[in-house]
Amino acid sequence: EAQVTQNPRYLITVTGKKLTVTCSQNMNHEYMSWYRQDPGLGLRQIYYSMNVEVTDKGDVPEGYKVSRKEKRNFPLILESPSPNQTSLYFCASSVHLDNEQFFGPGTRLTVL
Amino acid sequence: AQKITQTQPGMFVQEKEAVTLDCTYDTSDPSYGLFWYKQPSSGEMIFLIYQGSYDQQNATEGRYSLNFQKARKSANLVISASQLGDSAMYFCAMSKTSTGTASKLTFGTGTRLQVTL
Repeated sequence: EAQVTQNPRYLITVTGKKLTVTCSQNMNHEYMSWYRQDPGLGLRQIYYSMNVEVTDKGDVPEGYKVSRKEKRNFPLILESPSPNQTSLYFCASSVHLDNEQFFGPGTRLTVL
Repeated sequence: AQKITQTQPGMFVQEKEAVTLDCTYDTSDPSYGLFWYKQPSSGEMIFLIYQGSYDQQNATEGRYSLNFQKARKSANLVISASQLGDSAMYFCAMSKTSTGTASKLTFGTGTRLQVTL
């Protein structure tokens, strides 16, 4: 089954404790992206990647890192999480940005 | 910078009626794409429809159609024959493309649609 998986789905952590949210797709898509969704703000792009070893900042990259060592994986790293990073995070992938983006199920992160 | 505006935070529509969800965009790029996504209460993001800036015809997918008015920079979603299952949050989004390489995707703040009996 074609899908984008994210882990964990739910995470409660404390300020400053490094964490990684994994994202994996099995569709051989070149384009992958991370978004955060906050009430009243819609989805905002954090980082995107157009292929292996090619990543770039979206609109809200501060406090986040990503890597794209393999085509299928695009982890999101929070080196020192803060409460303002409490949000719902989505990973997405597509053949190209002008194609349908397939979204993962979301990761709800709470930073205390 | 590109921007998407959805001015309707919430909408009600009666079952079997048609409804239009508004979306306006702002970009200086000649090449871009416009999307609509649906997010039901369960939280997943579901792709509905796509329109390219150079497409001559308005996109349609089943009961969904995109009313693309380039001069007005609007890309409204029309849902015909609404169903109870259409109750959800709807997001308009725009991709920026230049020289054949796509980059950012910008979303609007969403419109919550409630379908009533």
